[in-house]
Amino acid sequence: EIVMTQSPDSLAVSLGERATINCTSSQSLFSTPKNKNFLAWYQHKLGQPPKPLIYAASTRESGVPDRFSGSGSGTDFTLTITSLQPEDVAVYYCQQFYSGPITFGQGTRLEIK
Amino acid sequence: EVRLVASGGSLVQPGGSLTLSCAASGFDFSTYWMNWVRQAPGKGLEWVANIKRGGSEKYYVDSVKGRFTISRDDAKNSVYLQMNSLTVEDTAIYYCAGGGGWYSDYWGQGTQVTVSS
Repeated sequence: EIVMTQSPDSLAVSLGERATINCTSSQSLFSTPKNKNFLAWYQHKLGQPPKPLIYAASTRESGVPDRFSGSGSGTDFTLTITSLQPEDVAVYYCQQFYSGPITFGQGTRLEIK
Repeated sequence: EVRLVASGGSLVQPGGSLTLSCAASGFDFSTYWMNWVRQAPGKGLEWVANIKRGGSEKYYVDSVKGRFTISRDDAKNSVYLQMNSLTVEDTAIYYCAGGGGWYSDYWGQGTQVTVSS
């Protein structure tokens, strides 16, 4: 099983400032034949289903604001939110779908400072 | 508009059984992998099971193997989760989600399963 570890567990950032969430996998998520990382980021707000933000480590889903960006490759990944907005308060999860079982990080709670 | 509507959650006693359903619309269901993902109270997201288009492959998290069965009916655009021998640790909101591969870009509202005596 691939273990996903996020840091920090919680984060408080001022409005308009940058938030950075890290995710490390216990094995590489990069597929050479497919030339992509099997890593996604989700935003989860209370009472709603998780919302996909990023797939293949750095590709934004349609409709996701460009203040959200993903980077990294192999075992180390980052979700960056530039210019934090009030609606960005949520729990953020990374997920690997490189090999079964599919696993999530433990989540990072993002709040406004 | 894409919709995934999960149903069937309820209060059930330990050792009991329950079947969850998820009705899909707005996308080509028959070509999608479908998943069940759950969130226990105060915990993070946990993938539970998925099923390939056509139903030829099914995968489960270890904690539910032998107790849960995922199935699909492409004629009804629906995916199911049969849950047996339920324990209090299965208490969670269960979400259905789908995608072209193992990544899920469509998610539905969850259904609450509570296992308690």
